[in-house]
Amino acid sequence: DTAVSQTPKYLVTQMGNDKSIKCEQNLGHDTMYWYKQDSKKFLKIMFSYNNKELIINETVPNRFSPKSPDKAHLNLHINSLELGDSAVYFCASSHLLATMAIQFFGPGTRLTVL
Amino acid sequence: GENVEQHPSTLSVQEGDSAVIKCTYSDSASNYFPWYKQELGKRPQLIIDIRSNVGEKKDQRIAVTLNKTAKHFSLHITETQPEDSAVYFCASSYGGATNKLIFGTGTLLAVQP
Repeated sequence: DTAVSQTPKYLVTQMGNDKSIKCEQNLGHDTMYWYKQDSKKFLKIMFSYNNKELIINETVPNRFSPKSPDKAHLNLHINSLELGDSAVYFCASSHLLATMAIQFFGPGTRLTVL
Repeated sequence: GENVEQHPSTLSVQEGDSAVIKCTYSDSASNYFPWYKQELGKRPQLIIDIRSNVGEKKDQRIAVTLNKTAKHFSLHITETQPEDSAVYFCASSYGGATNKLIFGTGTLLAVQP
């Protein structure tokens, strides 16, 4: 059983295209996150949703739009892809208000923009 | 803004030796400090964490120490094995309404057999 899953695992696309990445968690968590890991391995939070409500929105271009249809799903849509968007995108989930809200990560989606 | 510094960026040890990775955080309100291990091409996975009301925590060969006054925390791995080779990330969070994790820049640990 995969706790946090993402699709697709790999995404290769041309500059200017629009693409989506999907994330699902079956841990019963109420909070989900999107992280970007660049070529230098830096992990940076992008967005977080708690019970379908946006609670973290870092300085991210508005070409990136997260959507949470329910608390088990968090999708990321990217418009007008640019070369600099190439990275590995990780979804994560946790309880928000647990004593130690451990974040569990998905397997990642490697996005390559040509 | 919030910042976590991590050192060293790379660390090479002989199998059986100990490895120590150090982090410094900037936000004095931080109260939760997890460590993640990321093997090549895999997801980050939690290996140990500590809260600010505890100074040290151990789990078999790994331990984490926290100095709140100095805003330092460290990961200690004893009796290293080749399978410990990975990138290790420290992180800090002050919990609150967002549980936002600020990650360090990572340490590539190579354990030579």
